[in-house]
Amino acid sequence: AQSVAQPEDQVNVAEGNPLTVKCTYSVSGNPYLFWYVQYPNRGLQFLLKYITGDNLVKGSYGFEAEFNKSQTSFHLKKPSALVSDSALYFCAVRDRSNTGGFKTIFGAGTRLFVKA
Amino acid sequence: SQTIHQWPATLVQPVGSPLSLECTVEGTSNPNLYWYRQAAGRGLQLLFYSVGIGQISSEVPQNLSASRPQDRQFILSSKKLLLSDSGFYLCAWSREQGIYSNQPQHFGDGTRLSIL
Repeated sequence: AQSVAQPEDQVNVAEGNPLTVKCTYSVSGNPYLFWYVQYPNRGLQFLLKYITGDNLVKGSYGFEAEFNKSQTSFHLKKPSALVSDSALYFCAVRDRSNTGGFKTIFGAGTRLFVKA
Repeated sequence: SQTIHQWPATLVQPVGSPLSLECTVEGTSNPNLYWYRQAAGRGLQLLFYSVGIGQISSEVPQNLSASRPQDRQFILSSKKLLLSDSGFYLCAWSREQGIYSNQPQHFGDGTRLSIL
């Protein structure tokens, strides 16, 4: 079975500092990996995805993520955090369900607080 | 461009009452559709997904049901709500067929359901 883990419930960072939100995964084959962000009382918004190719993926709002196959990780990063980046972040991996459709497995989420 | 609409945004219902939450997608055809529940602002629990009209897959046993009467309409229902049905319900769509199997999901802004 495929799974994804976000080991930190919360990450605190000062504005202007680099941020990292961690994600590790477990899959039987090659993974499709995603990051989403959720602001209060809103749905999840897609940030970026890794399918194949370059291990460094760039996404929306200046975020990027690095795929590391040997460490089975897909950490989300940003060089300089903004207060407005404070939100709940979800890592996700794609799984083929037993009825032939693709099912996305979401991590438990990491809450990011950026202090001014 | 594609959009997804969920309503109502908030709902307060007594225990034992029926439920109907609606989700519609515009700007795409034959999407995969999903219902999730999010408890206490954390992880997502997949409730139902649909790969086509009238095709519903249930992920967890519960007193909720889903229907897809039209290509871009997905409805979450219950005949008798329980206290444990409280939560934030999210609808999502994705483009899944063929070469698009690595596409992300796109979420509505959710319905916050409170059971009294």
